[in-house]
Amino acid sequence: RKEVEQDPGPFNVPEGATVAFNCTYSNSASQSFFWYRQDCRKEPKLLMSVYSSGNEDGRFTAQLNRASQYISLLIRDSKLSDSATYLCVVNGITGGGNKLTFGTGTQLKVEL
Amino acid sequence: DAGVTQSPTHLIKTRGQQVTLRCSPKSGHDTVSWYQQALGQGPQFIFQYYEEEERQRGNFPDRFSGHQFPNYSSELNVNALLLGDSALYLCASSLGPGTSTDTQYFGPGTRLTVL
Repeated sequence: RKEVEQDPGPFNVPEGATVAFNCTYSNSASQSFFWYRQDCRKEPKLLMSVYSSGNEDGRFTAQLNRASQYISLLIRDSKLSDSATYLCVVNGITGGGNKLTFGTGTQLKVEL
Repeated sequence: DAGVTQSPTHLIKTRGQQVTLRCSPKSGHDTVSWYQQALGQGPQFIFQYYEEEERQRGNFPDRFSGHQFPNYSSELNVNALLLGDSALYLCASSLGPGTSTDTQYFGPGTRLTVL
């Protein structure tokens, strides 16, 4: 089983639609959680951190369920510029260091 | 405020050769992590450097080695290149390892092609 699992998509949605991405992780000791966005042939960029209480940043809402080891990202009122790959990321701390474990990413295509 | 920088941007090598990739962290950051991203996959953790020491390592062979300098910049070395080493190599910097809230910022990456 992969440490972080995501549906690879692609999700093709019309502009203005609401789209939700889900992610599960296997290590219950994971410390922190993120969504990164990656445009084609570019580096990943932090979209938002994810907290158990849920957090919102404009059109984006992220949620963490530690009991189910499940992370979600909701994008409302999709824009063409939201087209990208969304990476679910889990941060684990062991042995004096920490590492990010990435899912394979979910591809989103927003169309006119 | 300079972000994370990496050099070179692209590199072509042949099997068996050795390669060195370089990374300068974001201003104020002291920790550098390296990741390998194959086409269609998420980045895979290679190792992390802090205080010039390797603090954590992913599931990569000893052909992959690194170094961190006193100015916090870092190098990734790969020996005896294989075709499967072709990937985008990403460097990420952060402030201090081992904290649950540190955020890693990525450089633009070095695209390595092994022929």
